[in-house]
Amino acid sequence: EPEVTQTPSHQVTQMGQEVILRCVPISNHLYFYWYRQILGQKVEFLVSFYNNEISEKSEIFDDQFSVERPDGSNFTLKIRSTKLEDSAMYFCASSPISDTQYFGPGTRLTVL
Amino acid sequence: AQKVTQAQTEISVVEKEDVTLDCVYETRDTTYYLFWYKQPPSGELVFLIRRNSFDEQNEISGRYSWNFQKSTSSFNFTITASQVVDSAVYFCALSLNQAGTALIFGKGTTLSVSS
Repeated sequence: EPEVTQTPSHQVTQMGQEVILRCVPISNHLYFYWYRQILGQKVEFLVSFYNNEISEKSEIFDDQFSVERPDGSNFTLKIRSTKLEDSAMYFCASSPISDTQYFGPGTRLTVL
Repeated sequence: AQKVTQAQTEISVVEKEDVTLDCVYETRDTTYYLFWYKQPPSGELVFLIRRNSFDEQNEISGRYSWNFQKSTSSFNFTITASQVVDSAVYFCALSLNQAGTALIFGKGTTLSVSS
């Protein structure tokens, strides 16, 4: 069964550094998403992406965040200048049109 | 605005007990989807079920069952004869019937099943 994959599984970075989180969505899916989950809290929507454009974004998704589909398979989330409060689990998800979102295993980001 | 409330923060049961996880949602839209996801200790989010707002039929899948009631804006999840492997955080979520739209999650219910 096809799965969403994410790399790395754990990323440690220094405050102020840039990080790129990578995702490979399910191959025939058209919508891609990023969510984050701060430890012990609920899952929060960041952004959705369709046809090489942002479809929807939340208030959390400010100018320090960006997304890109650099090729036909990868979907990335870039955080330009990390802050301590960016420490969280970041989940990528993908879906066919207007259908269930399937999540990857997550990348745990630790900002020191 | 949409909102999902899972009032039960933590539930502890003994194996073979039945347990119901509550979910109450708020939306002004008439067309929407409701979901349950499971997050085991390993951390991934596992899709369990999707329900659209026009389908109020209850659903049963093995030991899992779901009760959707629009009159009370609830979408409750029951595990029958719970097992230790059911121990996880369970999230209820809501999305509008619109492509690429966000999932709005509740805060989750941590279920602990002891042997």
